[in-house]
Amino acid sequence: KQEVTQIPAALSVPEGENLVLNCSFTDSAIYNLQWFRQDPGKGLTSLLLIQSSQREQTSGRLNASLDKSSGRSTLYIAASQPGDSATYLCAVRSLGRLYFGRGTQLTVWP
Amino acid sequence: DVKVTQSSRYLVKRTGEKVFLECVQDMDHENMFWYRQDPGLGLRLIYFSYDVKMKEKGDIPEGYSVSREKKERFSLILESASTNQTSMYLCASLGQASYNEQFFGPGTRLTVL
Repeated sequence: KQEVTQIPAALSVPEGENLVLNCSFTDSAIYNLQWFRQDPGKGLTSLLLIQSSQREQTSGRLNASLDKSSGRSTLYIAASQPGDSATYLCAVRSLGRLYFGRGTQLTVWP
Repeated sequence: DVKVTQSSRYLVKRTGEKVFLECVQDMDHENMFWYRQDPGLGLRLIYFSYDVKMKEKGDIPEGYSVSREKKERFSLILESASTNQTSMYLCASLGQASYNEQFFGPGTRLTVL
């Protein structure tokens, strides 16, 4: 069964820092990998999707990479801002469904 | 814009009541999902459906059932609500292609007293 792990569980940084969130998965037979953001009490918002044949995707200050063979993905956030404070979840798609990590709770302080 | 809507943002029910949670998507997605989210336990899949009238058990189906009579609508049913079903319930939809993203609804915070 696919298992997804996210490290660290929580991260607190000052505004302006570049930071990296990590995601690992146990089965490399994935269809794609998706990063989400969740604000407290809200649903999940899709940030980036990387297909299994791709190595990375970029959207604004966000860059996600995928190394399928080693079962790893990273989400890079450049020049972090207080508005980036949220929980970030990664999910891999395999066997018709998504498997989620438990998320990294990010706090960016001014 | 993709829209996944859920019938209620907040719901309070009593133990033993039958509870219906409705989800509607407007992207013509084949796949729909129901999750619950609890602190410390993350997101857990209850049921999903890959086509009309089709359903598959997720990781925690006990105490729940689902209905998918139309492609755009996926209902979660708590036959006899219990206090341990107090949770945030999230619905999502997903297209078949590998480039399709999963989109989530805003969630329903259910409290069972």
